[in-house]
Amino acid sequence: DTEVTQTPKHLVMGMTNKKSLKCEQHMGHRAMYWYKQKAKKPPELMFVYSYEKLSINESVPSRFSPECPNSSLLNLHLHALQPEDSALYLCASRKEGGNTIYFGEGSWLTVV
Amino acid sequence: TQLLEQSPQFLSIQEGENLTVYCNSSSVFSSLQWYRQEPGEGPVLLVTVVTGGEVKKLKRLTFQFGDARKDSSLHITAAQPGDTGLYLCAGGNSGNTPLVFGKGTRLSVIA
Repeated sequence: DTEVTQTPKHLVMGMTNKKSLKCEQHMGHRAMYWYKQKAKKPPELMFVYSYEKLSINESVPSRFSPECPNSSLLNLHLHALQPEDSALYLCASRKEGGNTIYFGEGSWLTVV
Repeated sequence: TQLLEQSPQFLSIQEGENLTVYCNSSSVFSSLQWYRQEPGEGPVLLVTVVTGGEVKKLKRLTFQFGDARKDSSLHITAAQPGDTGLYLCAGGNSGNTPLVFGKGTRLSVIA
């Protein structure tokens, strides 16, 4: 089973709203990732968590706040977003020492 | 900074034709992954190659990792409309370092 589950699949939010994206994997993977993907572009890395600790933050604005409550869960808290933040947000995971990163189906975010 | 140059960027072909997509870098990668992505969906893993010179086949898809582990190719034989999508190559390194993505090849197979 190589499944990464993301919820919700679609989210529409206003610029003053607070919402969260959720990601879950039960493969025992200890590295988890958030990517942002705009139309017709490859995914862009936002954050990397390793053993539930933030190890890479690719200079992401503070209106995006990641959280890793345990080894299976990864959240992305959203607050005061801008319309240009509308994109497909992808969660991914990789097992310790593994080569392959597995992606979830993504959460489509529209900021109005 | 490691870069992966992917070509072609766009490809539109007739059903039954063959095609090859290339990923090239001046850097060595410990692994190379190929993904296929449909609009609005996450990338789906097709294959991971880790050994220089490695060739893997997945039905009509043939993947090759260069001997020096700096380049890779994806060859599709007798393309079908169901092959339409965005193909992404991604280079990996040891540890939890992030993947380096190519810009993608948008393939359209016309019936």
